[in-house]
Amino acid sequence: QKEVEQNSGPLSVPEGAIASLNCTYSDRGSQSFFWYRQYSGKSPELIMFIYSNGDKEDGRFTAQLNKASQYVSLLIRDSQPSDSATYLCAVKSGNDYKLSFGAGTTVTVRA
Amino acid sequence: NAGVTQTPKFQVLKTGQSMTLQCAQDMNHNSMYWYRQDPGMGLRLIYYSASEGTTDKGEVPNGYNVSRLNKREFSLRLESAAPSQTSVYFCASTPGGIPYNEQFFGPGTRLTVL
Repeated sequence: QKEVEQNSGPLSVPEGAIASLNCTYSDRGSQSFFWYRQYSGKSPELIMFIYSNGDKEDGRFTAQLNKASQYVSLLIRDSQPSDSATYLCAVKSGNDYKLSFGAGTTVTVRA
Repeated sequence: NAGVTQTPKFQVLKTGQSMTLQCAQDMNHNSMYWYRQDPGMGLRLIYYSASEGTTDKGEVPNGYNVSRLNKREFSLRLESAAPSQTSVYFCASTPGGIPYNEQFFGPGTRLTVL
């Protein structure tokens, strides 16, 4: 069983809509959760991290964490064409130095 | 402040050739990582160095070796390249010692093995 699972997409949303991305993980000891955005041909860049149950908002992005259900999600409000990218979920267990990445969800925002 | 730099950006090798991918960071980070990224597979950890002087295997270490030359530099060596090693390779670094901090990625090296 893969440690971190994401829907591969592609997820197509109209401009101005909400894009919802989901990620599940298998290790109950996971403590830190990251969302990276990766444009085609570029390297990943961090959008948000979350480590407590509940919601964390940063501008148009909201991360949601539910440790009991072992999932973390990312909402993109008022989606813009510039949000078209692949979004990678990453999970860190306790004091481990390593991140486990999902395969990514490709989002296309159509004008 | 250049962040994480990688050389070369592109490389084509023939099967059996060897090469070293170079990575350097100027952020005084303790931990450094090498990943490969293949279509539909996400990022897979090859090797990492939690701190200067230490290296550990990741998820897919076979066919690779690493050297943590000093705190700034972490190189990845392919001793005998195989077509299965065709991939995009990313180096990353993180301050270490803080459980929530992010990994910063270099621009990547696109490697093709014929």
